[in-house]
Amino acid sequence: AQSVAQPEDQVNVAEGNPLTVKCTYSVSGNPYLFWYVQYPNRGLQFLLKYITGDNLVKGSYGFEAEFNKSQTSFHLKKPSALVSDSALYFCAVRAYNFNKFYFGSGTKLNVKP
Amino acid sequence: DVKVTQSSRYLVKRTGEKVFLECVQDMDHENMFWYRQDPGLGLRLIYFSYDVKMKEKGDIPEGYSVSREKKERFSLILESASTNQTSMYLCASRVTPGQALYGYTFGSGTRLTVV
Repeated sequence: AQSVAQPEDQVNVAEGNPLTVKCTYSVSGNPYLFWYVQYPNRGLQFLLKYITGDNLVKGSYGFEAEFNKSQTSFHLKKPSALVSDSALYFCAVRAYNFNKFYFGSGTKLNVKP
Repeated sequence: DVKVTQSSRYLVKRTGEKVFLECVQDMDHENMFWYRQDPGLGLRLIYFSYDVKMKEKGDIPEGYSVSREKKERFSLILESASTNQTSMYLCASRVTPGQALYGYTFGSGTRLTVV
């Protein structure tokens, strides 16, 4: 069965500090992994994806994510957080031969000045 | 840029009403999806459609139906709204099933309250 876990409901970080939002997945076959961000009362916006290749993927707004096959993880990172990064972040996975995406439960990121 | 438009940002309906949520995309995408978003549960797939007049049940289809008469429009129907269907509803579209390189493009969401 395909699934995604985001173990933290909320992450708090001070502005200027590095941030990590965790994601682990379970999928049959090679995973396609995505991160989306949702600002209040808005739809989800695409941040970055991992399909194949380099395990470190760079995306929008200075975010990056590291794919770790042995730990089945795809953690989202940013070297220096901004207050404007405060939002809800979703990790998603789909299997190579499976059309549906599965989303995690979301992690609320709070960046304090 | 692809645009996915959901006709209503906020809706308030009464229990037992028939409710239509409309979604339109402007980039000729084959695949369209309806999700509901609830705190702590993330996004759950209600229905999706590969192409016109085609539909597939997602993970939580009970109490919902869909209609896709034209490629650009995918409607979610609550046959008889209930309070447990109060939620944020998100529509998404994507190019084709085989193009796994692409993620979804989402609409802004419709927050439905059933009273």
